[in-house]
Amino acid sequence: DGGITQSPKYLFRKEGQNVTLSCEQNLNHDAMYWYRQDPGQGLRLIYYSQIVNDFQKGDIAEGYSVSREKKESFPLTVTSAQKNPTAFYLCASSIKFNDWGLSNQPQHFGDGTRLSIL
Amino acid sequence: DQQVKQNSPSLSVQEGRISILNCDYTNSMFDYFLWYKKYPAEGPTFLISISSIKDKNEDGRFTVFLNKSAKHLSLHIVPSQPGDSAVYFCAASEYRNQFYFGTGTSLTVIP
Repeated sequence: DGGITQSPKYLFRKEGQNVTLSCEQNLNHDAMYWYRQDPGQGLRLIYYSQIVNDFQKGDIAEGYSVSREKKESFPLTVTSAQKNPTAFYLCASSIKFNDWGLSNQPQHFGDGTRLSIL
Repeated sequence: DQQVKQNSPSLSVQEGRISILNCDYTNSMFDYFLWYKKYPAEGPTFLISISSIKDKNEDGRFTVFLNKSAKHLSLHIVPSQPGDSAVYFCAASEYRNQFYFGTGTSLTVIP
């Protein structure tokens, strides 16, 4: 079955440590996204990528980095510069917007990674 | 500043009755709107969408209404079932591909 796989499901980070969250999709989608969810808040966009080797910052990119070397993979690194990394992280993918008249372009989400600080 | 708002954090409805979830937005350039459903420990799953050229879209028990002048979106579930109990997020985007999500409404359908 096609879908998005995020790993690990739970992750713990020590102070000053970088950690990388994995996101893989086999939906042949061009666009991939990383969101962060905090209690009482909506999903906030960290980074997104519309094509291999290209990505753009979202609203809260500080302290995070990404790469898009393959169409299927969009790993997110939470760096030590991110002072409040405890959150639920969601990866998503979609076909690329190339015609605003398309009526159905939902994002498909993985099951998330919960990151906590030790 | 939150561009998409869901002002009701929770809603309880009797099984068989209608559930109405509301969403307001501030950006008049939004042209595509979606509702997602999320169970605990899972990612959101797409439920229904509507483009700004329409004011209503139906899919089975789910209907989304769009009132562009009021910048208001609502999701109607009729009849509500216990399996509908979940958190519902609305989301909106404009052409440049970034989606903005509301904070979610937790729906509980009471058997």
